[in-house]
Amino acid sequence: DAGVIQSPRHEVTEMGQEVTLRCKPISGHNSLFWYRQTMMRGLELLIYFNNNVPIDDSGMPEDRFSAKMPNASFSTLKIQPSEPRDSAVYFCASSSGTVNTEAFFGQGTRLTVV
Amino acid sequence: LAKTTQPISMDSYEGQEVNITCSHNNIATNDYITWYQQFPSQGPRFIIQGYKTKVTNEVASLFIPADRKSSTLSLPRVSLSDTAVYYCLVAADSNYQLIWGAGTKLIIKP
Repeated sequence: DAGVIQSPRHEVTEMGQEVTLRCKPISGHNSLFWYRQTMMRGLELLIYFNNNVPIDDSGMPEDRFSAKMPNASFSTLKIQPSEPRDSAVYFCASSSGTVNTEAFFGQGTRLTVV
Repeated sequence: LAKTTQPISMDSYEGQEVNITCSHNNIATNDYITWYQQFPSQGPRFIIQGYKTKVTNEVASLFIPADRKSSTLSLPRVSLSDTAVYYCLVAADSNYQLIWGAGTKLIIKP
């Protein structure tokens, strides 16, 4: 398996634009996590899906952020409208169990909002 | 909620054993402790997980005292390639809470 695949690897966008980050989890994994990482705040869990259902989205910063998982092999994280403070590295991770199971992280998407 | 606290940075030398301790004073009964390693421009990678006492795998050991209020990741005979950031994570399936530490930047010198 190629591991967790995220796209794009880098994204530069202007403030106010819509940004969509994509994730393909490892085949057979039933849990998917979206994280945001910044120097100031470290790793933050944004949302956790289990069997394609959002279980905990309490980490989603505000209504500008939304995440979907239409099927077991694909998830998106959308920011609309984007703001400079959204600049961060966004990671997707998947696991074969729940929150206590080893999670496999993608390479991340580095988002810069100017 | 459990809060995880770990040192910001540590230095050591090749061939030495390195111990990184994480404090989690409010850990709950159902929480597990997991450690991840992260290299620059990569996502975190699982190292080891435990609930109590000692766990050992091919790369590390994890020591958890009886009160479980702390845990120590032990890396035997480190090399330059062990230079990375190490994260402590406390998580429970019962409430889906994942509490990440701020990470310890470990620098190994020749």
